[in-house]
Amino acid sequence: ETGVTQSPTHLIKTRGQQVTLRCSSQSGHNTVSWYQQALGQGPQFIFQYYREEENGRGNFPPRFSGLQFPNYSSELNVNALELDDSALYLCASSLAPSGGAETQYFGPGTRLLVL
Amino acid sequence: AQSVTQLGSHVSVSEGALVLLRCNYSSSVPPYLFWYVQYPNQGLQLLLKYTTGATLVKGINGFEAEFKKSETSFHLTKPSAHMSDAAEYFCAVKGGSGGGADGLTFGKGTHLIIQP
Repeated sequence: ETGVTQSPTHLIKTRGQQVTLRCSSQSGHNTVSWYQQALGQGPQFIFQYYREEENGRGNFPPRFSGLQFPNYSSELNVNALELDDSALYLCASSLAPSGGAETQYFGPGTRLLVL
Repeated sequence: AQSVTQLGSHVSVSEGALVLLRCNYSSSVPPYLFWYVQYPNQGLQLLLKYTTGATLVKGINGFEAEFKKSETSFHLTKPSAHMSDAAEYFCAVKGGSGGGADGLTFGKGTHLIIQP
């Protein structure tokens, strides 16, 4: 069974640029959630995708957007990067939403540095 | 909205001693509660979760947690600490109203230090 994978592992961008992060979900999982973890903080929920549609969103501006593909892999896009976007971005996959108790399995993350 | 408070950003215990990491939550409905562990430069690994039923939940690596509704707490314990337990621990809550549309709300984390 393949776990959640993310690419790239590290990324350096400059302010104002755009970035795309990628995630492959665990085998059999059709739901993907994205989180931002700033240094020394807990992860913060960005959004969740289920059946290729956004299924919930946290308190993040529209310049954070995503996609989910038919094979359940996902992308996180961030436009107009700001210095505060520097963080570890975590992807988590799970089975279909079932009322809140499903376990989310996390990938190793992509560390983004914005200069 | 759900929220989580973890008391103590750093906890230091001796090897072999009891580990106690505190977590309090706020929720207007019965919550789903989780504990995750994060080792350096890695993603999060689920230790255990509470959904319904038995309030004492056993997880991996000898950890367990007890859901106490009257205290709105979900503290994590382990009877005897090992050096390999040194890591960052996160408590998280998800809404109990169903729908599954919301993500997890995490606490700020507790860094567990094991003294030899």
